Amino acid sequence: DGGITQSPKYLFRKEGQNVTLSCEQNLNHDAMYWYRQDPGQGLRLIYYSQIVNDFQKGDIAEGYSVSREKKESFPLTVTSAQKNPTAFYLCASSRRTGPITDTQYFGPGTRLTVL
Amino acid sequence: SQQGEEDPQALSIQEGENATMNCSYKTSINNLQWYRQNSGRGLVHLILIRSNEREKHSGRLRVTLDTSKKSSSLLITASRAADTASYFCATDADGATNKLIFGTGTLLAVQP
Repeated sequence: DGGITQSPKYLFRKEGQNVTLSCEQNLNHDAMYWYRQDPGQGLRLIYYSQIVNDFQKGDIAEGYSVSREKKESFPLTVTSAQKNPTAFYLCASSRRTGPITDTQYFGPGTRLTVL
Repeated sequence: SQQGEEDPQALSIQEGENATMNCSYKTSINNLQWYRQNSGRGLVHLILIRSNEREKHSGRLRVTLDTSKKSSSLLITASRAADTASYFCATDADGATNKLIFGTGTLLAVQP
């Protein structure tokens, strides 16, 4: 089965804790992305990576960190510095990198709730 | 920053009717994509239209692109209850990377 997986599906965090969201793809895609979605809203880009060991900030990177040690994996850490982390987090991947945008393939999402 | 803005924000129709959603964007693009999201799920890619194309079909979907007006429309013909979802347009963020900017979406409800 080819695809992109995210875990866990639901995550609860106490204030002041860091949490890490997992994203794995077996599509052999070069580029990977993390988005945040708030209720009734579109997607906002947190971080993206076009190649292993390299990543760039998106529009709302503050309070988040990522790593890209393997092509297949792009974990997102939501740190205690993120003031309003409760949201739906979506990971995506695409076959190639710029300059022409490509189709993005999305995981099922992780819903993070801060208690 | 929002590149694409969908209109209407919400649309309710009966099964069998056609649904039309519109997307407007601000800067020149290489291509425009439409995605679908069922409630609480990830997005699914529907169709990509390039800037030199005016119309594209895929099954019951028809997408048009008017670069002079910086707008696109998604038409779903003969809608079904299973088409109930949010629909998003996405455009290039810039020419250097494979970034997309998503609009706020149209929530389509198809009543059986």
